[in-house]
Amino acid sequence: NAGVTQTPKFRILKIGQSMTLQCTQDMNHNYMYWYRQDPGMGLKLIYYSVGAGITDKGEVPNGYNVSRSTTEDFPLRLELAAPSQTSVYFCASRSVGSSYNEQFFGPGTRLTVL
Amino acid sequence: GNSVTQMEGPVTLSEEAFLTINCTYTATGYPSLFWYVQYPGEGLQLLLKATKADDKGSNKGFEATYRKETTSFHLEKGSVQVSDSAVYFCALSGSNTNAGKSTFGDGTTLTVKP
Repeated sequence: NAGVTQTPKFRILKIGQSMTLQCTQDMNHNYMYWYRQDPGMGLKLIYYSVGAGITDKGEVPNGYNVSRSTTEDFPLRLELAAPSQTSVYFCASRSVGSSYNEQFFGPGTRLTVL
Repeated sequence: GNSVTQMEGPVTLSEEAFLTINCTYTATGYPSLFWYVQYPGEGLQLLLKATKADDKGSNKGFEATYRKETTSFHLEKGSVQVSDSAVYFCALSGSNTNAGKSTFGDGTTLTVKP
């Protein structure tokens, strides 16, 4: 199993540009999440999904959109990039079941908006 | 709501020193508790976990005990190595009706010097 994969690893955007961060998991997990991690800070939840076709906002959804057309894929869309969106973005997934189940993280996408 | 408070860092230790990173939590019910580790340039990965009071999670020489009476889950290691240098996150996961979402602490950066 590859686990959770994310592309690209790095990206530099100009203000106002748009892009999609890709996330795929091959563990058949129903739950998926997008986080951002600012330097020296913890994780903030952007959006999450409990299954294909179902998404919901987390703590910091403004400026982002998501979709979940399949169990495997959970792309994150930035429509009008702003310097405040400079961050490292992590995708994670988790299986349904006990709260004992941990989240599995991708390697992250480091985004800089100039 | 749920919250996790971690000992502030950064923490710098010499090789073979004893490590404690404090973590306390606020949650309703009986959450599961986790420690994740993030090595430089990588995503988070599970280090250890515990699901009920007095459970001890352990892995790679690290240990943490679920203390319900003090709402704590402190991470310990008897003798740290340079390779343990990383950021450590304490987290909790509540009931499954919360879409499996986890609450993370802000992370504690550990640097181990030879």
